[in-house]
Amino acid sequence: AQSVAQPEDQVNVAEGNPLTVKCTYSVSGNPYLFWYVQYPNRGLQFLLKYITGDNLVKGSYGFEAEFNKSQTSFHLKKPSALVSDSALYFCAVRDYYQKVTFGTGTKLQVIP
Amino acid sequence: EAQVTQNPRYLITVTGKKLTVTCSQNMNHEYMSWYRQDPGLGLRQIYYSMNVEATDKGDVPEGYKVSRKEKRNFPLILESPSPNQTSLYFCASSSSMAGEEGGTYEQYFGPGTRLTVT
Repeated sequence: AQSVAQPEDQVNVAEGNPLTVKCTYSVSGNPYLFWYVQYPNRGLQFLLKYITGDNLVKGSYGFEAEFNKSQTSFHLKKPSALVSDSALYFCAVRDYYQKVTFGTGTKLQVIP
Repeated sequence: EAQVTQNPRYLITVTGKKLTVTCSQNMNHEYMSWYRQDPGLGLRQIYYSMNVEATDKGDVPEGYKVSRKEKRNFPLILESPSPNQTSLYFCASSSSMAGEEGGTYEQYFGPGTRLTVT
C-alpha cells in the first residue's frame, strides 16, 4: 500500500528565512507527487507537482520542491518565507491506478 | 469560472438519517474524488471515479456510497450516518489520469462540507 509521511506537525520559521517542509513517500511504480496548501476555513489549493523530468520543480507563490528518488522524498522549499505563507501544507502521491494518498499535513508558522 | 461546488456547506444531522452531499464540477474533468479531513489524520480518500459509471474505493469507504451517472456530478451518500462520520468533506476533480501523456493531474478542490452527526 502506498503511503506519505510528513514527519513534522509544525514548522516555525522567521520571516525572510528559508523554509523546508518535509515529505517522504512509498508507492509502486512511478510516483505522481503533489503539494497542496490549505488556508484557514478554505479548501485545498494546488502548489506544485512532480510527474517526470527535472528533479527540481517550481510552483506557485515562489515555492519549489526537490524530488529525490533514492531517498523517496519530495521536500517543499522556499528561499524566503513570508508571513502570508502561514498555512497547512499537504504532500500527496497518486498512483497509476488513480488512488491518492495524502500526508497528515504540516502547519507552517512564519514569525514576523 | 472553473470551479468545484459542494452542497450543503454545513450540515448537522442525527444518527441514521440518510443524507447526500452533492458535488459538481464545470471543467469537464473525468476524475473525481471524495475525501474526509480529520485533525491529525490529514485527508483520506473515500471513493474516486475515473469516468461515468466507473467508481472505486479509496482508503475509508465504509459507510459511504457514491454514484457517477453524469460526468459533472459525483454525489456522496451516507445511508445511515453515525457520529464517527462527523468530519470535513472535500470533493475534488482533475482532468487527467496518472499515466496519460501531457495531462495536468493536479486536483481542484471544492470548498468543503462540514458534517456533524449527533
